[in-house]
Amino acid sequence: GAVVSQHPSWVICKSGTSVKIECRSLDFQATTMFWYRQFPKQSLMLMATSNEGSKATYEQGVEKDKFLINHASLTLSTLTVTSAHPEDSSFYICSADKQSTGELFFGEGSRLTVL
Amino acid sequence: RKEVEQDPGPFNVPEGATVAFNCTYSNSASQSFFWYRQDCRKEPKLLMSVYSSGNEDGRFTAQLNRASQYISLLIRDSKLSDSATYLCVVGLDNYGQNFVFGPGTRLSVLP
Repeated sequence: GAVVSQHPSWVICKSGTSVKIECRSLDFQATTMFWYRQFPKQSLMLMATSNEGSKATYEQGVEKDKFLINHASLTLSTLTVTSAHPEDSSFYICSADKQSTGELFFGEGSRLTVL
Repeated sequence: RKEVEQDPGPFNVPEGATVAFNCTYSNSASQSFFWYRQDCRKEPKLLMSVYSSGNEDGRFTAQLNRASQYISLLIRDSKLSDSATYLCVVGLDNYGQNFVFGPGTRLSVLP
């Protein structure tokens, strides 16, 4: 199966700092990657769709200046949470679309805690 | 009406039981359908794709009913390790650009 690696798995930071999360497809190229956040006992909520070499498409209500997404190569997308606040504490998950099958493969998730 | 709906559960079933989940979707133009399994505090993992003709993988059977716009997942001979949240995911096109997630159905298999 396809492998998507996400790093870091856990991060604790102070309020006001920025945090970068990386998402890599290890054994396939992903033209499209997706970023989600998930609050406890809730489903995944899509934040943005990231296409290699172009600007990300953000879902309604997601601040593009706060959640910076870069998809510089076919195997790497990054999400930077800028000026993080406690309300940004959440589980952030990326996924990559394996175009040959149309299936989504997920990273392991990054648990962000902002103090 | 939400695009993809599931009964959130929880479904509490004894080991060995057969349990079925349904997922309804509102967009009749939806192209692809999947069941994902998510363990607590972990990422979702693909359980199976759902094909028009239905498909089976061991104890798991998935079916698609386009006329009524739902997909189903049947788990036979439930194991304790089947306890998880099962997410229904619907792809709105064939280009991998639009996936909609259901809220998930929580299953607890009890000893």
